[in-house]
Amino acid sequence: NAGVTQTPKFQVLKTGQSMTLQCAQDMNHEYMSWYRQDPGMGLRLIHYSVGAGITDQGEVPNGYNVSRSTTEDFPLRLLSAAPSQTSVYFCASSLTSSRQPQHFGDGTRLSIL
Amino acid sequence: GQQVMQIPQYQHVQEGEDFTTYCNSSTTLSNIQWYKQRPGGHPVFLIQLVKSGEVKKQKRLTFQFGEAKKNSSLHITATQTTDVGTYFCAGPESGNEKLTFGTGTRLTIIP
Repeated sequence: NAGVTQTPKFQVLKTGQSMTLQCAQDMNHEYMSWYRQDPGMGLRLIHYSVGAGITDQGEVPNGYNVSRSTTEDFPLRLLSAAPSQTSVYFCASSLTSSRQPQHFGDGTRLSIL
Repeated sequence: GQQVMQIPQYQHVQEGEDFTTYCNSSTTLSNIQWYKQRPGGHPVFLIQLVKSGEVKKQKRLTFQFGEAKKNSSLHITATQTTDVGTYFCAGPESGNEKLTFGTGTRLTIIP
């Protein structure tokens, strides 16, 4: 089992560019989520999904889109990157819900110039 | 929305000293989860508390869940250099599937 795999590990973008952060898990987990981590602000929830075809907004969803076409994959899309989106992004998964232990990927370090 | 605060934000201790971080939620929680993040790493699940007043121990770590299920604490006895990292609490919101993380306490150890 690879667990939760995030790609890429590092990325530099220019303002206005778009990109997709990939997240895949091989544990047959229904619940998946995306967080961003900024210094002094902990982990803030961007979007989450309780299963294939179902997504919902978290605390800071603006500027980000998600989809969940399969159980395994939960990509995060930045439509038009802004410097304020410079952050470390973590994907997490759990068996069925937010009330269970979350398994995190290694993160993607994203810089927007 | 639900807010989860942790204090202190930073803690520097001499190796061998004890350490405590406190977690407070604006709403009643169904459970509280604790995570540890090493520098440059990702959060790793430590433990989950569910019952009011629950106390759990993992070696030198003691976790408590408050009677009102709105606060929690993590106490480390006789810290070691391996304890370095940021400790986060997290609580699920009621009525939806959002998990809110606390602001974290960053522990550094002076050898």
